[in-house]
Amino acid sequence: GENVEQHPSTLSVQEGDSAVIKCTYSDSASNYFPWYKQELGKRPQLIIDIRSNVGEKKDQRIAVTLNKTAKHFSLHITETQPEDSAVYFCAASNGFKTIFGAGTRLFVKA
Amino acid sequence: DARVTQTPRDKVTEMGQEVTMRCQPILGHNTVFWYRQTMMQGLELLAYFRNRAPLDDSGMPKDRFSAEMPDATLATLKIQPSEPRDSAVYFCASGLGTGNEQFFGPGTRLTVL
Repeated sequence: GENVEQHPSTLSVQEGDSAVIKCTYSDSASNYFPWYKQELGKRPQLIIDIRSNVGEKKDQRIAVTLNKTAKHFSLHITETQPEDSAVYFCAASNGFKTIFGAGTRLFVKA
Repeated sequence: DARVTQTPRDKVTEMGQEVTMRCQPILGHNTVFWYRQTMMQGLELLAYFRNRAPLDDSGMPKDRFSAEMPDATLATLKIQPSEPRDSAVYFCASGLGTGNEQFFGPGTRLTVL
């Protein structure tokens, strides 16, 4: 079946460094790619998303890139801060079904 | 600031008991999702509805789980009988279709002893 693979499962960075999380998807009909952040004990919340007609999108310190040919997309966080520590989920939607990646636990060390 | 609400927030029950979790989606959203989250599994889609009709419940153990939307303001997830392996956090989310942002509720933490 269709799936989304997410790497790495755990990522530890020093405060101020950049963090990159990568996802690949299998359904070529996918056209919407959101990223959710889940802090400990909280609900997942959307932090950024991208649609298939765009290659890159930025929002302050976070950016997402999409390569439809290779079927992969990535989340980039620059100048990481301790409050960026959380679990990040990527997802891919074909307009009918959304499939989530397994999540990346990001630790930002002060 | 409209939010998805879920009740109860915490539920502790004994094996074999029936558990009912409720969700109130954001007014105007036509799609409702149920997810299960354990430490090891990430977000596992159990079922989802569009305009109150079930579209996909392939992720749900059919023998003990059931999901319904009695009306546009209420979605329910039932487990009967519950088992210890059902212990998890159950999230409800709502949105406008499946190709847009999903708004998650606070979750119901279920513990089955």
